[in-house]
Amino acid sequence: QVQLQESGPGLVKPSGTLSLTCAVSGGSISSSNWWSWVRQPPGKGLEWIGEIYHSGSTNYNPSLKSRVTISVDKSKNQFSLKLSSVTAADTAVYYCARDPGSSWSHWGQGTLVTVSS
Amino acid sequence: QSALTQPASVSGSPGQSITISCTGTSSDVGGYNYVSWYQQHPGKAPKLMIYDVSNRPSGVSNRFSGSKSGNTASLTISGLQAEDEADYYCSSYTSSSKVFGGGTKLTVL
Repeated sequence: QVQLQESGPGLVKPSGTLSLTCAVSGGSISSSNWWSWVRQPPGKGLEWIGEIYHSGSTNYNPSLKSRVTISVDKSKNQFSLKLSSVTAADTAVYYCARDPGSSWSHWGQGTLVTVSS
Repeated sequence: QSALTQPASVSGSPGQSITISCTGTSSDVGGYNYVSWYQQHPGKAPKLMIYDVSNRPSGVSNRFSGSKSGNTASLTISGLQAEDEADYYCSSYTSSSKVFGGGTKLTVL
């Protein structure tokens, strides 16, 4: 059974860069899946951030595209998110998820990232 | 891209059926059969309930069903149970991107 686990700093300063990693276990990141990041501000709905295929091909939410970079490390079976120039509006629970084609079948437990000085 | 439109809340009594709508455009919901639905309990990660408009993943109760007509997709839950009380989100593929609905809070009375 595939499992995903997010990790990274829980506190980021305004104007800084948010960096998170998602470790994949129980399956290969080189399998035929897209690997996504989704976030949820406290008390609000879900927002898709972007996704990556093991080949390195990426798709991003147009509203975040200028600030987002998603990368994959096949040797470590993990993928990562970088979000630059963060503000308080980027405070959210960040989830990583697996998409085998058209939906997210497996999710990490989520990690809260707070943007504050 | 704009979020898909869902009602903020719906409610029903145990045993009843409810339907949650998810309205988009011909560029997302109406243009692709890639609508999915997620259940989220407080403090938990979302759980996939329906994919590709009307397919249930293994292990999901057959009380959950999905459909689509034009630019509107729907999730129907029959035989409501207390454990169904949660937030529900729809999502759709849209031209190399993906979009969620705003979410619907289901209350089981």
